Amino acid sequence: EEKLLESGGGLVQPGGSLRLSCAASGFTFSTYAMNWVRQAPGKGLEWVSLIRSSGGSTYYADSVKGRFTISRDNSKNTLYLQMNSLRAEDTAVYYCAKEGYTIFGVVYDAFDVWGQGTMVSVSS
Amino acid sequence: QSVLTQPPSASGTPGQRVTISCSGSSSNIGSNTVKWYQQLPGTAPKLLIYSNNQRPSGVPDRFSGSKSGTSASLAISGLQSEDEADYYCATWDDSLNGVLFGGGTKVTVL
Repeated sequence: EEKLLESGGGLVQPGGSLRLSCAASGFTFSTYAMNWVRQAPGKGLEWVSLIRSSGGSTYYADSVKGRFTISRDNSKNTLYLQMNSLRAEDTAVYYCAKEGYTIFGVVYDAFDVWGQGTMVSVSS
Repeated sequence: QSVLTQPPSASGTPGQRVTISCSGSSSNIGSNTVKWYQQLPGTAPKLLIYSNNQRPSGVPDRFSGSKSGTSASLAISGLQSEDEADYYCATWDDSLNGVLFGGGTKVTVL
């Protein structure tokens, strides 16, 4: 069974830093792009960042560009999100999501596996 | 205000058909495939539709997706109580170079 398990969330002061991790299992992690998606309390989903399978290409939402860094360690089947200069508006549940629903050998750019999420609260 | 526009709410009685719209532009829906995600209360989102109108295995055929130009829609036929959830459309945006989610539509079964 394909699974994702996030960790690293918590309470941090404005301006602080936090590093989220997402451990993958049940699939060949190194062959899929991975994403971070967040959801502020009572709000909708907001895409945060994408990293391609090799880690060579990364993309960010404008709201986090320059403050957040996505990375991956394919030898450890783990995705990361380094969050710096945190703001109150970064408070949210952060989900990692595998991008790549595969059927009949064709890989589609859909988020087919999601973790349970980890809560990040930014407050003084 | 999301770049992908969805109605905030939709409702129907059991057995009815409910349709949710998702309006975008040429840089997103107009040139990329649309996905739909279902988020039941207190849970992580789940892939419902990929490639505009394809259902992953295990998704009931009551759910169907379509796309025309810069708009897409999700239809739920034979509405059931377990369909009460938030539904999000999503696609890539070529101008923003990132993924966009719609604002979400809360479906209520009356």
